[in-house]
This record gives sequence, structure tokens and C-alpha cells, in this order.
Amino acid sequence: GAGVSQSPSNKVTEKGKDVELRCDPISGHTALYWYRQSLGQGLEFLIYFQGNSAPDKSGLPSDRFSAERTGGSVSTLTIQRTQQEDSAVYLCASSLAGGPEQYFGPGTRLTVT
Amino acid sequence: GENVEQHPSTLSVQEGDSAVIKCTYSDSASNYFPWYKQELGKRPQLIIDIRSNVGEKKDQRIAVTLNKTAKHFSLHITETQPEDSAVYFCAASKNTDKLIFGTGTRLQVFP
Repeated sequence: GAGVSQSPSNKVTEKGKDVELRCDPISGHTALYWYRQSLGQGLEFLIYFQGNSAPDKSGLPSDRFSAERTGGSVSTLTIQRTQQEDSAVYLCASSLAGGPEQYFGPGTRLTVT
Repeated sequence: GENVEQHPSTLSVQEGDSAVIKCTYSDSASNYFPWYKQELGKRPQLIIDIRSNVGEKKDQRIAVTLNKTAKHFSLHITETQPEDSAVYFCAASKNTDKLIFGTGTRLQVFP
């Protein structure tokens, strides 16, 4: 079946602008995670949605970052007033309820100029 | 919170040799330990995982071992091939919680 999809694949924006990144999880997966991977670095947790529970926002680096998940499926990560240090690949992953295996999307490469 | 350390950061082996990557974790409540392979410009791919009720798991040329007492887990790749060249990440989590990743190991397999 279809895997996790993300859009856009690449986004170049000017410093100070807002951006929205989209994630479509695998159908039937109730858990959705956002991670960030800076150039040549590891993966850093940002936020986690599980069903109807309140999201775990403990990894968001500042209040410029927010995310929502509508209808228990698609998620949007929003970065307001982008800064150059926000440049990274933003990865989304999803998993089945009760199953820990997380499957990643292809990521969105964000470049802030 | 959980902290995962991974080493070595780079590893070069001759084709056919074995490769071992080691990770340690800090939170004794962690019970799920996956390994991901990431090729250049691609998404991380889950290659093998282990849960805390198991000490070892094997899948063809790859195996993972877990020592809960020492809070260590390792990835073993035997009979390495050039296509094994990639960055490998270990991670730890509690049940379906967020993954905390190690810093990655760049494996190069020379023909």
C-alpha cells in the first residue's frame, strides 16, 4: 500500500516568512510524529499525535512551531517567522495504534534564505 | 529524559567483513529499540528492531542484541556488501512514544 507522503518535497523561503509542511500518514495509522534532521545530523523529535489524545509537544524548539492533525489523518507543521536555523529536513512518521514501528515519509527540505 | 549515545560515528570495512555498531541508552523504562538505515537523500528505513523482552533477533545478515542490565544494544551486519553503505541510526522509545535517536554511524563498505 501507499507509504507516508509529505509535501512539498522542497521549500525555499525568505527569513521571516511563514511556512506550512504537510504529512499524509499511512492509511489506518493512528499515531503521527514529526522529526527534524539538520544537515549531517541525527533526527530530533518535534511533536507526536496519538488518536484523540492531546499531542506531545515537548520537542518543539520554540513557540514559532506548531502542528495540527485534522480528522485523525493529515497533519500540518507550521513554522512562523522562519529563521535560518530552521533550515533542515522535516520528516514525518506514522505507526499503528499499539505498534511501535514507525515508518517515515520522504521529508520536506526547508531552506530559509 | 532519554539519551541515546551511538558509536562509532564512522566505520569502514572491507566487503565480506562484519560491522558492529553500538548504542547505549539512559532510561531503563525504554522497551523498544529500532535500527534505521538512511541512504544519501533518502528517508530512514526501518531494518530491524528489538523489544526489551528479547535478548537477540536476527534477520538474514543483520542481527541486533540487547543487554537490558547494561542498557546497551548493538547492530551486527555480517558478510557486508557495498550496498550496505549508508548511515545507520539506533533509537529507543517506551511503547509507542517518540523515538530518541543516536547520532548515527556512517558505514562505508569497500569492494
